[in-house]
Amino acid sequence: QKEVEQDPGPLSVPEGAIVSLNCTYSNSAFQYFMWYRQYSRKGPELLMYTYSSGNKEDGRFTAQVDKSSKYISLFIRDSQPSDSATYLCAMTPGNTGKLIFGQGTTLQVKP
Amino acid sequence: SAVISQKPSRDICQRGTSLTIQCQVDSQVTMMFWYRQQPGQSLTLIATANQGSEATYESGFVIDKFPISRPNLTFSTLTVSNMSPEDSSIYLCSVGRDDTQYFGPGTRLTVL
Repeated sequence: QKEVEQDPGPLSVPEGAIVSLNCTYSNSAFQYFMWYRQYSRKGPELLMYTYSSGNKEDGRFTAQVDKSSKYISLFIRDSQPSDSATYLCAMTPGNTGKLIFGQGTTLQVKP
Repeated sequence: SAVISQKPSRDICQRGTSLTIQCQVDSQVTMMFWYRQQPGQSLTLIATANQGSEATYESGFVIDKFPISRPNLTFSTLTVSNMSPEDSSIYLCSVGRDDTQYFGPGTRLTVL
């Protein structure tokens, strides 16, 4: 079993839809949780970063962490074609700096 | 955040040769990392580049194959040695800051 599980998709939605991306994990030592967006042929770009359970909002993006269920989510409201990319969840215990990544979910937002 | 550059951005190499990838950061950082992203896959940590000491390698990666240098707090290199087609990947450096990591644009390597 992988430490971090993420549905690879692909996920296709119409423009304006609400998108929900999810990851589950098995290591209870994970304390810091991140979402990265990666466009084709580009490096990962940090979107959201959260520590501990709860919600964090930044514009159209909301990151949610539920440590009791070992489950994290990223919600994208009013999705745009420019949101079409691969979204990677990542997490770390925080003391080594080592990030463990999910497989990435490919999202396509159709105009 | 951090501004990170990598050279080269891409290369095509013959098997058996070596390629050195450079990573430059716009300001001093303590932690630098090297990742590999194989085609259609997620990122896997190769090693942590430690300034002034040997790199710390993850399971499955060895110094003879992926020697790393970290001469100062803004620069690191990763060499992919004795390359085979299985080394065809994107190689990414990242820096640790504010309890998270920022990534460079990556080096796309194709080995023929």
